[in-house]
Amino acid sequence: KAGVTQTPRYLIKTRGQQVTLSCSPISGHRSVSWYQQTPGQGLQFLFEYFSETQRNKGNFPGRFSGRQFSNSRSEMNVSTLELGDSALYLCASSSGEITDTQYFGPGTRLTVL
Amino acid sequence: TQLLEQSPQFLSIQEGENLTVYCNSSSVFSSLQWYRQEPGEGPVLLVTVVTGGEVKKLKRLTFQFGDARKDSSLHITAAQTGDTGLYLCAGASANSGYALNFGKGTSLLVTP
Repeated sequence: KAGVTQTPRYLIKTRGQQVTLSCSPISGHRSVSWYQQTPGQGLQFLFEYFSETQRNKGNFPGRFSGRQFSNSRSEMNVSTLELGDSALYLCASSSGEITDTQYFGPGTRLTVL
Repeated sequence: TQLLEQSPQFLSIQEGENLTVYCNSSSVFSSLQWYRQEPGEGPVLLVTVVTGGEVKKLKRLTFQFGDARKDSSLHITAAQTGDTGLYLCAGASANSGYALNFGKGTSLLVTP
């Protein structure tokens, strides 16, 4: 069974631009969660989608948004990029049960200059 | 606010030594997961524990979930250089919805 895939793996943007990251979950998984990882804050939860609906959202500004498609693939968008948005963005997929294991993709490394 | 506190933050040991990493919280979790992460890659799941007092063994790794489901430990016996990496614990609870709360991790370096 193929794992979670994320594209692109690396991205360089400048301040003020916007960016879209993509995540394809494990086949059969209906939940996709997004996390931001930085050296100072560690992994922080952005949001979670299940069957195209956002079920939970972390404490991030409205510049961070996401969506999920009918095939469970998900995208996250960051508008008006700031230097502090430089991070590894990880998505994780699961069946959607609260105690179910989340399986992570390799991440997208975003650098904002 | 970091719900899960991991200790130590950094650990450097030689091959063959034993080590224990701790993950503590004042919150109760429905389940707790341990991951290992290599630089530039996503976390890879090692184990999930769901029952208070549960002990799971994975070759040289032993995981324990506290009786009150608030803390956990990871013990590695006879560490190898391949064990080098960032070890993360993450808890799921009804209060956090479907979000995993992560500790900041323990960075382990095993030298020959």
